[in-house]
Amino acid sequence: KQEVTQIPAALSVPEGENLVLNCSFTDSAIYNLQWFRQDPGKGLTSLLLIQSSQREQTSGRLNASLDKSSGRSTLYIAASQPGDSATYLCAVPSQGGSEKLVFGKGTKLTVNP
Amino acid sequence: GAGVSQSPSNKVTEKGKDVELRCDPISGHTALYWYRQSLGQGLEFLIYFQGNSAPDKSGLPSDRFSAERTGGSVSTLTIQRTQQEDSAVYLCASKGGPYNSPLHFGNGTRLTVT
Repeated sequence: KQEVTQIPAALSVPEGENLVLNCSFTDSAIYNLQWFRQDPGKGLTSLLLIQSSQREQTSGRLNASLDKSSGRSTLYIAASQPGDSATYLCAVPSQGGSEKLVFGKGTKLTVNP
Repeated sequence: GAGVSQSPSNKVTEKGKDVELRCDPISGHTALYWYRQSLGQGLEFLIYFQGNSAPDKSGLPSDRFSAERTGGSVSTLTIQRTQQEDSAVYLCASKGGPYNSPLHFGNGTRLTVT
């Protein structure tokens, strides 16, 4: 059974700091991994999707890496801003190419001005 | 250019009543998903539609839960005889491209069963 763990559960940093969020999963036979952002009272916004054949994806100040063999992904946020404050979730298919995603419980990030 | 739309945004109902939650996916998106988000449980998969068919409904918690999709567009999630443990945010998402395409989520319906 696929399980996803995110560490830390919460993180508070001063503005401008670079930071790393961690995601680990138990079944490495996945087709892709997604990182999402959720603002309070809102739905999820897709940030990055890494296919199994890729090792990383970049979008602006965000960089996500994927190491399938070790069952790990990291989301790197450069030069953090108060607007980055949100909960970040990672998700992987329950198995292989399943359409059913299994989500971690998220990391709640607070960037202080 | 509208995103995924869900209604109502909030619903308070009495235990034992039936509720219907609606999802309008992004136009042209063939895949539609329902998830539930509750405190302490995180996001749980409920059901997946491809067109009007539901190839995977393994996440529906009991036979009180059902969902349908018509015209390859709007979907309705129905909960019969609601219980307090059904209180959660119900999120809908859609996807329009091939397998490795991102999901687009609505803002959810917050259901409170009193």
